[in-house]
Amino acid sequence: EPEVTQTPSHQVTQMGQEVILRCVPISNHLYFYWYRQILGQKVEFLVSFYNNEISEKSEIFDDQFSVERPDGSNFTLKIRSTKLEDSAMYFCASSETPTSTVYFGPGTRLTVL
Amino acid sequence: AQSVTQLGSHVSVSEGALVLLRCNYSSSVPPYLFWYVQYPNQGLQLLLKYTTGATLVKGINGFEAEFKKSETSFHLTKPSAHMSDAAEYFCAVGGGSNYKLTFGKGTLLTVNP
Repeated sequence: EPEVTQTPSHQVTQMGQEVILRCVPISNHLYFYWYRQILGQKVEFLVSFYNNEISEKSEIFDDQFSVERPDGSNFTLKIRSTKLEDSAMYFCASSETPTSTVYFGPGTRLTVL
Repeated sequence: AQSVTQLGSHVSVSEGALVLLRCNYSSSVPPYLFWYVQYPNQGLQLLLKYTTGATLVKGINGFEAEFKKSETSFHLTKPSAHMSDAAEYFCAVGGGSNYKLTFGKGTLLTVNP
């Protein structure tokens, strides 16, 4: 069964450093998403992406965050200058349409020291 | 705006007992409703979803949920718990013209032998 993959599974970085989280969505999907889950809290929507542009973003997704689809298969989330509060599990997800099933990847655990 | 309330952050049942995980939602548009399961150190796996049509939805692993519009509920049930059902369960709502899912805080299900 096709699945969303994410790399790395765990990333440790120093505060103020840039990180790039990588995802490979399911190949025939057109809508891509990033969500995050701070330890012990709910899963929160960050951003959705379609046709090479952001469709919707949350208030969490400020200027420190950016997304990109650099080629036909990858989808990345960049955090320019990480803060301690960015420590969380980041989930990439994809779907065929906005209302079809959203499939989630296994997540990247980001730890900011 | 949409929101989800999951009653009970932790539910404990005996193996073979009924599982009931509660979810209430708020939505200004016809909702799409989902239950996801998260096993330790893994991503979010879709259990079942309701979009339109039949209000009783059957999912994987013997779970089902019933959409009750009058009660704004989408409770998850399973007649007989198995040890392998121990995980965290998230209810989510989507719908309308936005692209995001809004999650509840999750319910941790433990199954006692």
